[in-house]
Amino acid sequence: AQKVTQAQTEISVVEKEDVTLDCVYETRDTTYYLFWYKQPPSGELVFLIRRNSFDEQNEISGRYSWNFQKSTSSFNFTITASQVVDSAVYFCALSVPAGGSQGNLIFGKGTKLSVKP
Amino acid sequence: DVKVTQSSRYLVKRTGEKVFLECVQDMDHENMFWYRQDPGLGLRLIYFSYDVKMKEKGDIPEGYSVSREKKERFSLILESASTNQTSMYLCASASGQPTGETQYFGPGTRLLVL
Repeated sequence: AQKVTQAQTEISVVEKEDVTLDCVYETRDTTYYLFWYKQPPSGELVFLIRRNSFDEQNEISGRYSWNFQKSTSSFNFTITASQVVDSAVYFCALSVPAGGSQGNLIFGKGTKLSVKP
Repeated sequence: DVKVTQSSRYLVKRTGEKVFLECVQDMDHENMFWYRQDPGLGLRLIYFSYDVKMKEKGDIPEGYSVSREKKERFSLILESASTNQTSMYLCASASGQPTGETQYFGPGTRLLVL
């Protein structure tokens, strides 16, 4: 069975702090895809990143970076120098093409990040 | 940019009413999805469609039906709305294979059933 765990339900930081959101996934398949989405208070899920299981290179995009470690089944997301506009719920998700979920997205429960000025 | 639109941001309906939630995407995507989002339960897949007139049940299809008569439009239907269907409904679309491709989401519809 596939599963995504985001152990941090809520995180609160002060502006300019760095913050890491944890994501641990479970799957027995060797081919899979990992995603992060951001959901601001307006409600729309905004796509941030997609990673396939064969690409373990870390990714940096501006203040955002992602650390993919297959050895620990983790795909953590770090925001450097956080800003108030980063306040949102962040979701990690897994897709396993050959899995029993028919390859659809399996979401974690989300981490609510509050960045205070 | 991919654009997914949903017919209403907020909707209030009475128990027993038939409710239609419409979703339109403008990127010629083959695959479309309907989710509901509830506090503490996260996002759960209701139905998805990988082609016109095709539909597949997701994790929680009970009480819902869908329609996909045109490639760009995917409708979610609540035949007889009940209070436990009060929720946030999110539509998404994706290209290509129905697995592993990025899903792009609409703004969501907050439905309140009284």
